[in-house]
Amino acid sequence: GDSVTQMEGPVTLSEEAFLTINCTYTATGYPSLFWYVQYPGEGLQLLLKATKADDKGSNKGFEATYRKETTSFHLEKGSVQVSDSAVYFCALNYGNKLVFGAGTILRVKS
Amino acid sequence: KAGVTQTPRYLIKTRGQQVTLSCSPISGHRSVSWYQQTPGQGLQFLFEYFSETQRNKGNFPGRFSGRQFSNSRSEMNVSTLELGDSALYLCASSLLSQDSPGANVLTFGAGSRLTVL
Repeated sequence: GDSVTQMEGPVTLSEEAFLTINCTYTATGYPSLFWYVQYPGEGLQLLLKATKADDKGSNKGFEATYRKETTSFHLEKGSVQVSDSAVYFCALNYGNKLVFGAGTILRVKS
Repeated sequence: KAGVTQTPRYLIKTRGQQVTLSCSPISGHRSVSWYQQTPGQGLQFLFEYFSETQRNKGNFPGRFSGRQFSNSRSEMNVSTLELGDSALYLCASSLLSQDSPGANVLTFGAGSRLTVL
């Protein structure tokens, strides 16, 4: 079945450091790919999405590129801030059903 | 534009009881999905409703059920509660484009946190 694998956390970075959170997927067909973010005590917020191969999603300085050849959708940000501390979920959408990765906790120190 | 509203936000029940959670989608959204989030199992799909019909169901026992009303509002019910049902229950709504269903963006509510004692 469809699945998503994310790098385990927590990831701890200093402010202004470069961020990469790896995400790979297994799916039949060609799903859409998403990154969601969850702040403490809140629901999930859409961060960015990509609907087909080679699409790049971007938002708030975060970027991810849909790589069909490596079945990956790695999340990157050039300079993280303390306010980016949260849990990040990679997900695929096939048939309006989201399959999520386990989530990666990001902690940014000032 | 109001977001997805879930009620109640927090509730405590005891084993064997039942619970009903409510979700009001974004105006105009006709698809409503439910997810369970636990530390051990992560985020798992429960079911999806569109136009009052269940379109998709996850791998959960029959104690978990749901419905959708004509105004797109949805409820989910869990009967005979078990300790393992303690979780954050998230509702999400989407427009559900027939042209590109996989690109639909699900907007989530803040969740209902259920504690079973």
